[in-house]
Amino acid sequence: EAQVTQNPRYLITVTGKKLTVTCSQNMNHEYMSWYRQDPGLGLRQIYYSMNVEVTDKGDVPEGYKVSRKEKRNFPLILESPSPNQTSLYFCASSLLAGGGETQYFGPGTRLLVL
Amino acid sequence: AQSVAQPEDQVNVAEGNPLTVKCTYSVSGNPYLFWYVQYPNRGLQFLLKYITGDNLVKGSYGFEAEFNKSQTSFHLKKPSALVSDSALYFCAVRNPMDTGRRALTFGSGTRLQVQP
Repeated sequence: EAQVTQNPRYLITVTGKKLTVTCSQNMNHEYMSWYRQDPGLGLRQIYYSMNVEVTDKGDVPEGYKVSRKEKRNFPLILESPSPNQTSLYFCASSLLAGGGETQYFGPGTRLLVL
Repeated sequence: AQSVAQPEDQVNVAEGNPLTVKCTYSVSGNPYLFWYVQYPNRGLQFLLKYITGDNLVKGSYGFEAEFNKSQTSFHLKKPSALVSDSALYFCAVRNPMDTGRRALTFGSGTRLQVQP
């Protein structure tokens, strides 16, 4: 089944404790992206990647890191989480074709930083 | 900068009645427009998109949307609502000129409640 998977689905942590949220897709998509969803704000892009070793900042990159060492994986790293990073996080992927490609989203990771 | 407005936080409709979820957008040039649905504890599921061509776009689960360039709108519609359609719906826009970041700009979402 074509899908985007994320782990963990739920995470409670404390301020300053480094964590990684994994994202993997099995559709051979070049493009991957991370969004966070906060009530009343919709989804905002954190980072994106056009291909292996090609990453760049989105709208709200502060406090986050990413890497793209393999085409299928795009982990989101919080080096020193803070309470304002409590949110619902989504990974997305798509082809890079002629334009208008559909982005497919993972199931989400709900993060609580105490 | 591009933006999306979903003016209704919640839409209530009786099962079997037609439903409309409103979306207006602002973007330079011709937009790429998308609708996604989010069920409780689930990810975003793609419903339909407008890229070019026919203004009426048909998607999954019997949903359709009409692109209206003069009104900068992309309202989501369904002729006959089901209780199982109850969910959170997001409209999103992307600027076709953005071939790099490809960020979708989302509206704040509209909760659809279909009563039996």
